Amino acid sequence: AQTVTQSQPEMSVQEAETVTLSCTYDTSENNYYLFWYKQPPSRQMILVIRQEAYKQQNATENRFSVNFQKAAKSFSLKISDSQLGDTAMYFCAFMKHDMRFGAGTRLTVKP
Amino acid sequence: GAVVSQHPSRVICKSGTSVKIECRSLDFQATTMFWYRQFPKQSLMLMATSNEGSKATYEQGVEKDKFLINHASLTLSTLTVTSAHPEDSSFYICSAKIAGGRQETQYFGPGTRLLVL
Repeated sequence: AQTVTQSQPEMSVQEAETVTLSCTYDTSENNYYLFWYKQPPSRQMILVIRQEAYKQQNATENRFSVNFQKAAKSFSLKISDSQLGDTAMYFCAFMKHDMRFGAGTRLTVKP
Repeated sequence: GAVVSQHPSRVICKSGTSVKIECRSLDFQATTMFWYRQFPKQSLMLMATSNEGSKATYEQGVEKDKFLINHASLTLSTLTVTSAHPEDSSFYICSAKIAGGRQETQYFGPGTRLLVL
């Protein structure tokens, strides 16, 4: 079974600065998908960024980018120019046939 | 596009009653839907995978007779919590995969908060 590990329960960052959230996973699969989701207090899951494992190029979405290291099974999220609205829970997720989530990291952006 | 709705958004019921939660894909067809449960300050835990026209596949430790799942159409899956007890109080979230979609992505509903008194 696939497992996803987020080792940072809480993180904080000053507004406008950069923060990196860590995620590692364990799988024997070769083709799969990785995601970062944001969950604000409303609890609606919002897709932040998506990465196909067969692609070597790291995915980017505006201020959000990932560092995907397939051999190391690592998938970290970098948020640049942090904004107050980025404050939320962030979940790393692995998907082959279904989606499995890490424990989450609570990110607080401080003014 | 790719909107998933859930109804109700919040429900309070008495212990021993049954509660049905609906999950609908509004603008796409979903052959597969998933049900998750999220306790406060915890992650989403997969409960079951729901395939249209067939029986749901439950995760280990999830009682299939307690959490009845019906995926009767390509746009609707329902989760019925039977004989609910206070320990079933949780946030239930569904998600759906686009049928025949090239991109593997799940779209999440807004969730249903269940409180069993």
